[in-house]
Amino acid sequence: EDKVVQSPLSLVVHEGDTVTLNCSYEVTNFRSLLWYKQEKKAPTFLFMLTSSGIEKKSGRLSSILDKKELFSILNITATQTGDSAVYLCAVEDGGSQGNLIFGKGTKLSVKP
Amino acid sequence: GAVVSQHPSWVICKSGTSVKIECRSLDFQATTMFWYRQFPKQSLMLMATSNEGSKATYEQGVEKDKFLINHASLTLSTLTVTSAHPEDSSFYICSARNSGGNYEQYFGPGTRLTVT
Repeated sequence: EDKVVQSPLSLVVHEGDTVTLNCSYEVTNFRSLLWYKQEKKAPTFLFMLTSSGIEKKSGRLSSILDKKELFSILNITATQTGDSAVYLCAVEDGGSQGNLIFGKGTKLSVKP
Repeated sequence: GAVVSQHPSWVICKSGTSVKIECRSLDFQATTMFWYRQFPKQSLMLMATSNEGSKATYEQGVEKDKFLINHASLTLSTLTVTSAHPEDSSFYICSARNSGGNYEQYFGPGTRLTVT
């Protein structure tokens, strides 16, 4: 059965800390891995990763994929209270119609 | 670009009634749209895949006769929750894939359904 596992499930840090969120997966037909940030409503897109070892960066956020070990990490440096959210990892199943299989998410709380 | 809207954003209905939720891609065509459900403190669970002009594909455990999906055009998919029960109360989110783009899915803002 295809699955996506995120860790930790929740994390509390202070402003300025650096955090690393983990996502491992077992998916029969891997097409891509995506990271989303979810606050009160629908998820907002952060990154799409398809190739191993190539870091994607957007401001204080960065992510990398390891297709051999079947995992990805999302790094956030110099965290701010506005980074508080649930971070979702999803893997796109290339074998069907491109369904996204979501992990349970990591709830990040950044304290001032 | 790549905006997806949902309507309504929230709805309260009585048990036994039906509720229709619309998902529209505003500035692109979407051959495929996806419907997700999210219960409190849980992740998004795919309910069904909606394809323009054909029947939807439902995930295991999702009743197709209860959750009616119609993808009548390249910019509109609807989800109708029939004979709603309180346990159907949830956050329903759609996403649309840009047919002419890089297959990225764009999410709507979600619809909060409360069944009393």
